[in-house]
Parts: sequence; C-alpha cells; structure tokens
Amino acid sequence: QQQVKQSPQSLIVQKGGISIINCAYENTAFDYFPWYQQFPGKGPALLIAIRPDVSEKKEGRFTISFNKSAKQFSLHIMDSQPGDSATYFCAASSSGATNKLIFGTGTLLAVQP
Amino acid sequence: DTAVSQTPKYLVTQMGNDKSIKCEQNLGHDTMYWYKQDSKKFLKIMFSYNNKELIINETVPNRFSPKSPDKAHLNLHINSLELGDSAVYFCASSQDKNQPQHFGDGTRLSIL
Repeated sequence: QQQVKQSPQSLIVQKGGISIINCAYENTAFDYFPWYQQFPGKGPALLIAIRPDVSEKKEGRFTISFNKSAKQFSLHIMDSQPGDSATYFCAASSSGATNKLIFGTGTLLAVQP
Repeated sequence: DTAVSQTPKYLVTQMGNDKSIKCEQNLGHDTMYWYKQDSKKFLKIMFSYNNKELIINETVPNRFSPKSPDKAHLNLHINSLELGDSAVYFCASSQDKNQPQHFGDGTRLSIL
C-alpha cells in the first residue's frame, strides 16, 4: 500500500512535443504529491507539487493533473526541450509525524532535437 | 552557495571497511534525511532527523548509523561495508517535516 507506481520507464519525445508521465498510488492517506527532476550526477530537484484539494497545477511548461478518485496523478511537459532530458520521479507522502516520501521508479525522458 | 552539501562526492573502498559520509545544510531547515539510490535509480528513505531527533528509521541494517550533532548536520556512518552497499547516498533537508525536501548531489559509494 506504500507503493507509488510510475510509467513509462522511458520516454522519447520530439522537441516541441508533449511529455506525459503517469503515477498511481494506493494509500489514501497520501496528501502531498511532488515531482522531482534528476540530471546525471546531480540530486533530485523539486519541480512541482500538488495537494489533493486541487485537480491541476501549472507552473510554466509543467502541469500536474490529479485524479483523487482514481488515485492517479500525472506530469505534463508542454513544448518539451532537449534541456528537459532527465529522469523524472513522482513521489507521495502523508502529513503527520513524519514526511516520508515514497518515490516512483523513475522515467528517463529523452527529448530529441 | 550550495544549500545541501555532501562529502565526499565519491567513495571507493574495500569490503569490510568502515566509512562515513557527511552532510551539511545552510538553509536553516529543521529536518534532514538520508536516501539510498540503487543501480536502477530507485530512491528509498533510510533515516530522518527532526531537530536532532530521529523520526524515521526504515528497515536498514544496523551497520548504518546516522548521527546529527546539530540541526545543520546529519552524518551517516557505515560499518563493515558489503558489496550490496554500493549505491548513491543522498542527503536532503526540509524546513520542517511537512515541507518540500531539498537534495544534495549525492555520494557515490563503490565497494570493491
């Protein structure tokens, strides 16, 4: 019940296209859903996050869509650029005594010029 | 200025040795974490400290011992290193235990 399932494992998108990465969770206690971006040799960096009181959050070219009833959330990258090529991780946690982030398995995104 | 810094960046050592990884954050955060990223890039929480108090202790061999001398530092000591300990270890911090986490750039540990 603590798992966060992420797909696809890898994704190739043409420059200017839309990249879509999906995640699903089981634990209904989760109330914080961040997306992290990781470049080779670097640590994960927070990209965008959402809480379940909204169904969508947009920051620049990055949008999170959240479906509470389906227990799914997704990251959309509009107008994908070669500089977006990285590994993306979804994660989830629940407020309370700890802030234990449960990460998805990651998606390697390659944006071709 | 680096917000969350780890040393060393690379650590190559032999099986059976004892080693330490240091982490410092200059963000004034109260909570710090250690994560392990394996060869398949899977990230898993190991430990978390809030105001120097241990609040998360996942199922980790007791060869791993975190130590937080103050709120800005969280070190990880590993005894009797094994081949399976080879991974990238990330330190992270957050303002408190319900705020976004900021990661360091990792320490790549290789066991020969």
